[in-house]
Amino acid sequence: NAGVTQTPKFRVLKTGQSMTLLCAQDMNHEYMYWYRQDPGMGLRLIHYSVGEGTTAKGEVPDGYNVSRLKKQNFLLGLESAAPSQTSVYFCASRGGGGNQPQHFGDGTRLSIL
Amino acid sequence: EDKVVQSPLSLVVHEGDTVTLNCSYEVTNFRSLLWYKQEKKAPTFLFMLTSSGIEKKSGRLSSILDKKELFSILNITATQTGDSAVYLCAPTGGTSYGKLTFGQGTILTVHP
Repeated sequence: NAGVTQTPKFRVLKTGQSMTLLCAQDMNHEYMYWYRQDPGMGLRLIHYSVGEGTTAKGEVPDGYNVSRLKKQNFLLGLESAAPSQTSVYFCASRGGGGNQPQHFGDGTRLSIL
Repeated sequence: EDKVVQSPLSLVVHEGDTVTLNCSYEVTNFRSLLWYKQEKKAPTFLFMLTSSGIEKKSGRLSSILDKKELFSILNITATQTGDSAVYLCAPTGGTSYGKLTFGQGTILTVHP
């Protein structure tokens, strides 16, 4: 059981370049989330989705876009990367109905030069 | 604004020691509090606490919640080097999408 899979695991970009991070889950979860983790800041929510075809802004959405065209996939896009977006990005998913824990992928380490 | 404070921020102990990690929180419409362990990659789920005074246990780890005083503790007894990790506390409020507010984490280092 793969759980939550993120690709790629590492990436280096130049300022202004664009890229898409892919998150895939095989647990048939309704909810999916994108976080970034920075030293001293903890995990902060970028965007989230409560189901296929729906997305919403989290705590730090600026500079990012997302899409959830299929239930199992949640994509995070950077249209024009900036050095401030250098971070580790985590995707998470959870099932619906009551209190359920979020399950995390292994993260994508992104450096913007 | 939701707020989570974990203490200590870092802790260094030797194998066999017992440690207590603290988490205090202020969250609107509190529903539950989750503890995660993060080694080099993904945070992995440890406990979910919803009721005060009921201790959750898993082997050498245990956790308890105090909803009146707005805090939780995570205890680890007989620590091992494999317990070295960042421990994250995350309460969840009454939003429709299960928002988690993460603390900065406690870095635990266990020396042989």
